[in-house]
Amino acid sequence: AQRVTQPEKLLSVFKGAPVELKCNYSYSGSPELFWYVQYSRQRLQLLLRHISRESIKGFTADLNKGETSFHLKKPFAQEEDSAMYYCASITGGSNYKLTFGKGTLLTVNP
Amino acid sequence: DAGVTQSPTHLIKTRGQQVTLRCSPISGHKSVSWYQQVLGQGPQFIFQYYEKEERGRGNFPDRFSARQFPNYSSELNVNALLLGDSALYLCASSLGMGNNEQFFGPGTRLTVL
Repeated sequence: AQRVTQPEKLLSVFKGAPVELKCNYSYSGSPELFWYVQYSRQRLQLLLRHISRESIKGFTADLNKGETSFHLKKPFAQEEDSAMYYCASITGGSNYKLTFGKGTLLTVNP
Repeated sequence: DAGVTQSPTHLIKTRGQQVTLRCSPISGHKSVSWYQQVLGQGPQFIFQYYEKEERGRGNFPDRFSARQFPNYSSELNVNALLLGDSALYLCASSLGMGNNEQFFGPGTRLTVL
């Protein structure tokens, strides 16, 4: 079965510092990987997906098939980045369900 | 468009009761998925519906059921509630099957006493 692991429950950095939220997946095929974000009192929303190879709000994530990782990075954290971040994977076939990790709460201190 | 809407916002039930949660997708979206999010965990997939048919089911007991209506809205039913069913229930809609972005609703907070 698919599994998505986010090893850090909490991550605290100072404004302007680099940030990396870790995500590892277990799937031997070619999954689609996503990062979802939930800001305080807002609904869960898509931040980025690996197939689009975009940079959203300064965040990037590279799929590393050798390490089965999809870490989320930002070179200079901002206070408004404080939120809950979930890594998720999806496999195709007939069932496009999202499998989420447990999430990492990022706090960016002033 | 208000996005995905869910009702009710909060719900308190007692063990053994039954509950129905409702979801209205974004206009034009034909697929609805349901997720359960227990405190401290990520959302866990329950069901996906597309064009009124069940297209995917997660690892949940038969006490959980759902349906999708001709207007693409959906209901999630849970029978014989257990304390462990207390969670935030999220609905997500997407244009269709396949790798479409899923847009999430605000959720329904269910508390089972």
